[in-house]
Amino acid sequence: QQQVKQSPQSLIVQKGGISIINCAYENTAFDYFPWYQQFPGKGPALLIAIRPDVSEKKEGRFTISFNKSAKQFSLHIMDSQPGDSATYFCAASKGSTLGRLYFGRGTQLTVWP
Amino acid sequence: GAGVSQSPRYKVAKRGQDVALRCDPISGHVSLFWYQQALGQGPEFLTYFQNEAQLDKSGLPSDRFFAERPEGSVSTLKIQRTQQEDSAVYLCASSLDQGDEQFFGPGTRLTVL
Repeated sequence: QQQVKQSPQSLIVQKGGISIINCAYENTAFDYFPWYQQFPGKGPALLIAIRPDVSEKKEGRFTISFNKSAKQFSLHIMDSQPGDSATYFCAASKGSTLGRLYFGRGTQLTVWP
Repeated sequence: GAGVSQSPRYKVAKRGQDVALRCDPISGHVSLFWYQQALGQGPEFLTYFQNEAQLDKSGLPSDRFFAERPEGSVSTLKIQRTQQEDSAVYLCASSLDQGDEQFFGPGTRLTVL
């Protein structure tokens, strides 16, 4: 059973536009929610992460919005660039499982110039 | 400042062969994770080490999968009697300690014919 559900599966955005990827979870024990970026042939790399004590975190063009009551979180990429074209994974972990990450299925983002 | 390295990068095995995949974590990192990433999917947890101790192996899909980290540094994931369903990218990640950011290697792409 997928513990973290991610949508959409693929996303095409015009350069300069906003990319939005959504994730939902059921397990209220999750206490850490990272987003990873993966380029072909590379391992995932941490992009930005949030803990449930805040509703939003912004780092440059990347923002995580977190809705604890709805058990949802999303990644917003502002001013999307062709170099942002990659696969994005949301994930979650809980302290009781020693940092083990539960990943969503990924969103393949394509930014057209 | 080398990152996590994995070898080989690509491995082709005939069904029934045994394979061994190596992970060199970032020096000084206590925690080490193995994940399996099927084509078009997010990484799935396999096992976790803290130093040389394997604290969680609940994600290993069968008893054909075995992992070790005898000196608390390099780790090897061994798959015996490989099957076609074992074809995937095997990712290794390390973190300074439990719950810290995980740094991923580039993965080993295993193809079982």
